[in-house]
Amino acid sequence: SYVLTQPPSVSVAPGQTARITCGGDNIGGKSVHWYQQKPGQAPVLVVYDDSDRPSGIPERFSGSNSGNTATLTISRVEAGDEADYYCQVWDSSSDVFGTGTKVTVL
Amino acid sequence: QVQLVQSGAEVKKPGSSVKVSCKASGGTFSIYSISWVRQAPGQGLEWMGRINPILDISNYAQNFQGRVTITADRSTNTAYMELSSLRSEDTAVYYCARGVGATRGGDTFDIWGQGTMITVFS
Repeated sequence: SYVLTQPPSVSVAPGQTARITCGGDNIGGKSVHWYQQKPGQAPVLVVYDDSDRPSGIPERFSGSNSGNTATLTISRVEAGDEADYYCQVWDSSSDVFGTGTKVTVL
Repeated sequence: QVQLVQSGAEVKKPGSSVKVSCKASGGTFSIYSISWVRQAPGQGLEWMGRINPILDISNYAQNFQGRVTITADRSTNTAYMELSSLRSEDTAVYYCARGVGATRGGDTFDIWGQGTMITVFS
């Protein structure tokens, strides 16, 4: 089965940039979606199809995807961005989630 | 704005089954798929399967083949997930999510239910 690997944690100071990677075999050929999940809440879609944002998601959230790595970038990080982030792709008729990354705002 | 409203928490015994519902309020889900995703305590997200309500076709993750059944009632805009032969490892929050077709296949999940806690306990 397809495996998506994310770093367990990323720490970033307010106002700086956080980059969260999602590694998978030839992931650049797939559509990658990103979700933000805060404690006790359902996930929220923040980026879809590699780099598109749903309405209501700040422009500070952006995505890219090439080769074997997709990246979610959060610019000008705010305290409210502290959460778990998951990438997701579709492979062989199944949806697969990444292992998740906890973003801590220092 | 469509919302997905799930049934309430349940406690089940090992070996039994559970059926969780997911109702679309404020609209219809007929033109979209509905997937089920679970999250064990302190763990990540795990996709279980989906249904296309128009075609009434379901497909399931390999890990759950034979144990999970996903159905939908278009007349009530409600989807269901039934998991059988429950064991302690099935203790988790179960989410339904609306699937919108992605550019290169599969779905992105743009609307999620609030989650249903299922505890398997003897």
